[in-house]
Amino acid sequence: NAGVMQNPRHLVRRRGQEARLRCSPMKGHSHVYWYRQLPEEGLKFMVYLQKENIIDESGMPKERFSAEFPKEGPSILRIQQVVRGDSAAYFCASSSGHSYYEQYFGPGTRLTVT
Amino acid sequence: TQLLEQSPQFLSIQEGENLTVYCNSSSVFSSLQWYRQEPGEGPVLLVTVVTGGEVKKLKRLTFQFGDARKDSSLHITAAQPGDTGLYLCARIGRAGNNRKLIWGLGTSLAVNP
Repeated sequence: NAGVMQNPRHLVRRRGQEARLRCSPMKGHSHVYWYRQLPEEGLKFMVYLQKENIIDESGMPKERFSAEFPKEGPSILRIQQVVRGDSAAYFCASSSGHSYYEQYFGPGTRLTVT
Repeated sequence: TQLLEQSPQFLSIQEGENLTVYCNSSSVFSSLQWYRQEPGEGPVLLVTVVTGGEVKKLKRLTFQFGDARKDSSLHITAAQPGDTGLYLCARIGRAGNNRKLIWGLGTSLAVNP
């Protein structure tokens, strides 16, 4: 089953550490999206990437957060110097170039900052 | 500010009952999607509706898009415990490279055996 894969599924970091979340899109998909889900706020768009390009990062916090989708390998969402407020579920989705409205989601990474 | 309002926020019913959940907006959108999310998993796309007045059926689930394309509903007939989950509506960003999904907060459904 070549669905969207995310790892790790659970990640615990202490305040000030770095978190790196990985996402492998579905086979044949070259568009990746990252979303964050908080209990009281729901799902929020963070960033949209194509291979080697950031297309829309309007939902990314200005500091500490970065994302990449290299030519080879998974997409990475990187959070530097994590704070308690970064604790959330982070979901990656992928789509093909033809059916961008059909986004397929991974199981998510649950980040806990202690 | 949530651009999509979902109601009710929580719903607990007995197996076999029917239910309807709603997704409303003050603005028109070109298309709307419904997703279902189970605890610990990512959202799974159920349907995309694009035409005002459109009705789509998926087994016991019936999705309707309002004529004015400002609202949508999901009706479940004879609910089963396997229908338990968070039902989310989302609209797609407009124009150009804007492909982000904008979400409602969801309706959390519990179907009790």
